[in-house]
Amino acid sequence: DIQMTQSPSSVSASVGDRVTITCRASQGISSWLAWYQQKPGKAPKLLIYTASSLQSGVPSRFSGSGSGTDFTLTISSLQPEDFATYYCQQTNNFPPTFGQGTKVDIK
Amino acid sequence: QVQLVQSGAEVKKPGASVKVSCQASGYFFTNYDIHWVRQATGQGLEWMGWMNPTSGNTGYAQKFQGRVSFTRDTSIRTAYMELSSLRSDDTAVYYCARGFTLVRGVNDYWGQGTLVTVSS
Repeated sequence: DIQMTQSPSSVSASVGDRVTITCRASQGISSWLAWYQQKPGKAPKLLIYTASSLQSGVPSRFSGSGSGTDFTLTISSLQPEDFATYYCQQTNNFPPTFGQGTKVDIK
Repeated sequence: QVQLVQSGAEVKKPGASVKVSCQASGYFFTNYDIHWVRQATGQGLEWMGWMNPTSGNTGYAQKFQGRVSFTRDTSIRTAYMELSSLRSDDTAVYYCARGFTLVRGVNDYWGQGTLVTVSS
């Protein structure tokens, strides 16, 4: 299985900050990467697919980039509702695998 | 609107089986795959497998092969996940999720989750 490694594991930030999360795949996955947001006690929510395509209804402050093995999720100006855990997921190889998550909390 | 509504929490003893249901509404049930993903408390997401509701074809992660089964009843737009030979480390929230048509393996709508607790 492809291993997905996110960094950092957690980040403390303030409203208005720019936040960047990275995700590295153990082998090349082209652009077959998705990002999800999960709030406590809730199901994950799809934010981005194919590395940089914004899912319908997701605010434009979220953006994704990368290809091959290295990817980033950027929140350009952190809002109160963005405090959550973020997961990357590769879908290039079976089975799909997730990163361990990055928790974004309030500084 | 698209909704996936799962059955309620379960408590099972080691060695038992559990069957979780996932009822879809707001879209044509047979047009989208259903995936199952689980999450142990405080842990990350683990993909278990998928099912095509039209054909009944399934694909399981190797870790669960032989212990998990996905079925469906199209007349009531419901998918089922059955996990057998339960162990304590199967304690987790189990999610069903709709397959995203644009990218295989990605999920655009999720159920609310079903907590399965395995304890003697």
